[in-house]
Amino acid sequence: DTGVSQDPRHKITKRGQNVTFRCDPISEHNRLYWYRQTLGQGPEFLTYFQNEAQLEKSRLLSDRFSAERPKGSFSTLEIQRTEQGDSAMYLCASSLRGHVEKLFFGSGTQLSVL
Amino acid sequence: GENVEQHPSTLSVQEGDSAVIKCTYSDSASNYFPWYKQELGKRPQLIIDIRSNVGEKKDQRIAVTLNKTAKHFSLHITETQPEDSAVYFCAPHGSSNTGKLIFGQGTTLQVKP
Repeated sequence: DTGVSQDPRHKITKRGQNVTFRCDPISEHNRLYWYRQTLGQGPEFLTYFQNEAQLEKSRLLSDRFSAERPKGSFSTLEIQRTEQGDSAMYLCASSLRGHVEKLFFGSGTQLSVL
Repeated sequence: GENVEQHPSTLSVQEGDSAVIKCTYSDSASNYFPWYKQELGKRPQLIIDIRSNVGEKKDQRIAVTLNKTAKHFSLHITETQPEDSAVYFCAPHGSSNTGKLIFGQGTTLQVKP
């Protein structure tokens, strides 16, 4: 599969639990982005990496959220002490050096916090 | 930060008609202007883009036009088909955005057969 893959596709959790999502970007892409999308809205930027360096984080990203990309390949997004307001689609995207604005999205992880 | 607005928020057309969606942005440093299409339950996908040194770009039935002076760009779809039904997002990008794209709120296009 040459696209961006995300795992799991769906996650149902209880309020207060921790969850972790994984994203595998397209192999030669050096930039990786996390976005959050709620129903009827456009994707909201959360954070992005260039290789293993996290270059920017949104104000939306509270201290309960942490993202890593330890070897510059796959990335994980962890949400600690989940709240009902965290329920959303979490989208990962990657882009290629020299064409960094052209984002290729994964299918997303749909999080439901009960 | 960048302020991005799309109009209209919903658009319903008959199959074969044309559709136009407009995106207005605030950052005069924006220099890249893409449109993404998201079908129901699927990922957003880039369908067409334009850079600030070009005024118009076409790809078969879709086109994007740019008015940098007025800070808006538009998506044009001609001879619409039911499979064009989706949500369309603009995401203007410029140096002040650093690495990220800021997406508009989306326009839901419904093409009636």
